[in-house]
Amino acid sequence: DGGITQSPKYLFRKEGQNVTLSCEQNLNHDAMYWYRQDPGQGLRLIYYSQIVNDFQKGDIAEGYSVSREKKESFPLTVTSAQKNPTAFYLCASSIAGVSREKLFFGSGTQLSVL
Amino acid sequence: AQKVTQAQTEISVVEKEDVTLDCVYETRDTTYYLFWYKQPPSGELVFLIRRNSFDEQNEISGRYSWNFQKSTSSFNFTITASQVVDSAVYFCALSGIHYSGGGADGLTFGKGTHLIIQP
Repeated sequence: DGGITQSPKYLFRKEGQNVTLSCEQNLNHDAMYWYRQDPGQGLRLIYYSQIVNDFQKGDIAEGYSVSREKKESFPLTVTSAQKNPTAFYLCASSIAGVSREKLFFGSGTQLSVL
Repeated sequence: AQKVTQAQTEISVVEKEDVTLDCVYETRDTTYYLFWYKQPPSGELVFLIRRNSFDEQNEISGRYSWNFQKSTSSFNFTITASQVVDSAVYFCALSGIHYSGGGADGLTFGKGTHLIIQP
């Protein structure tokens, strides 16, 4: 079955540590996205990529980094510069990244700080 | 800037009741798209519907219906004869083409409505 796989489901970060969240899709979609969800809040865009080797900052990119070396993969690194990383992180994809498209989501990663 | 307001933070109803989730939006664009997504406890958002700004026809899909009214900038979602499986967080979202490239950087989500269906 086609879809988006996020791992791990739960992740814990120590002070000063960088952690990487994995996102893989087999939908052959060009566009991929990372969203952050805080309790009682909507989804906020961290980064998105519409093509391999290119990505754009979203509304809250500070303290995060991404790479897009393969069409299928869009990992997110939460760096030590992100002072409030505890949140639910959702990866999504769409066919081409245009405004009318629906998004397909993974099942998320809950990141907590130890 | 565009904005989506879901004023109902949480709604709790008894099974088989009808329930309406409100969504009010603001945008400067004349062409835009409205979406509803469902987030069950598993965490994955699931697409429910998309509407473009030129199509004001209401839509019905089984127990789900949507009422789009440009005059009041609203895109409300009604579940008829609710079931426990409908319990989830529901997000309304707006995508305009005002932002650069018209891509998903122009997608704005509301804060969501947590719907609880009690047996």
